[in-house]
Amino acid sequence: DVKVTQSSRYLVKRTGEKVFLECVQDMDHENMFWYRQDPGLGLRLIYFSYDVKMKEKGDIPEGYSVSREKKERFSLILESASTNQTSMYLCASTLGGQNTEAFFGQGTRLTVV
Amino acid sequence: KNEVEQSPQNLTAQEGEFITINCSYSVGISALHWLQQHPGGGIVSLFMLSSGKKKHGRLIATINIQEKHSSLHITASHPRDSAVYICAVGKHSNYQLIWGAGTKLIIKP
Repeated sequence: DVKVTQSSRYLVKRTGEKVFLECVQDMDHENMFWYRQDPGLGLRLIYFSYDVKMKEKGDIPEGYSVSREKKERFSLILESASTNQTSMYLCASTLGGQNTEAFFGQGTRLTVV
Repeated sequence: KNEVEQSPQNLTAQEGEFITINCSYSVGISALHWLQQHPGGGIVSLFMLSSGKKKHGRLIATINIQEKHSSLHITASHPRDSAVYICAVGKHSNYQLIWGAGTKLIIKP
């Protein structure tokens, strides 16, 4: 089974802190995604990566950056956390090409105070 | 207008009832996905389909490509089926999935 692991389940950070959310997948998937999920808004794509060192902005990239130095790891960075970034963050991966079946991590609930 | 629309947004039913959740989309797709999210956040893939019908246990997913519509059915519903059910489509053109807003299902004992 594909496993997608996010580094933290719950995180509390202060406004202005730099925050790193890590995601690792173990099935050699090409594509990796970071989403945030807020009540009533569904899943919104922040960034995605289709290869090592490649990244593309999603729908809501402002205030975020990403890093993919290795195929299995995709990091989401909040350069200066703000209270409006309090949310559930979900990492996902897909094999690539026409296969869009997504495998998700367990989610990180981030609270910025 | 959203490219993927789900209905209903919320659904409450009694244990044992037959459940139908609908998904309509407006773009060309390579595949349609149904996923389940339980309280606590984890999302699991239930079905990926591009034509016809798939069945897994009490869950059935159908898709009509011409009408751009899919349904997820749950037979003999049970309180443990209570979750958010999400429809997503994979577009022909890129790597991304387009997500519906989800249907919150509550099954009462």
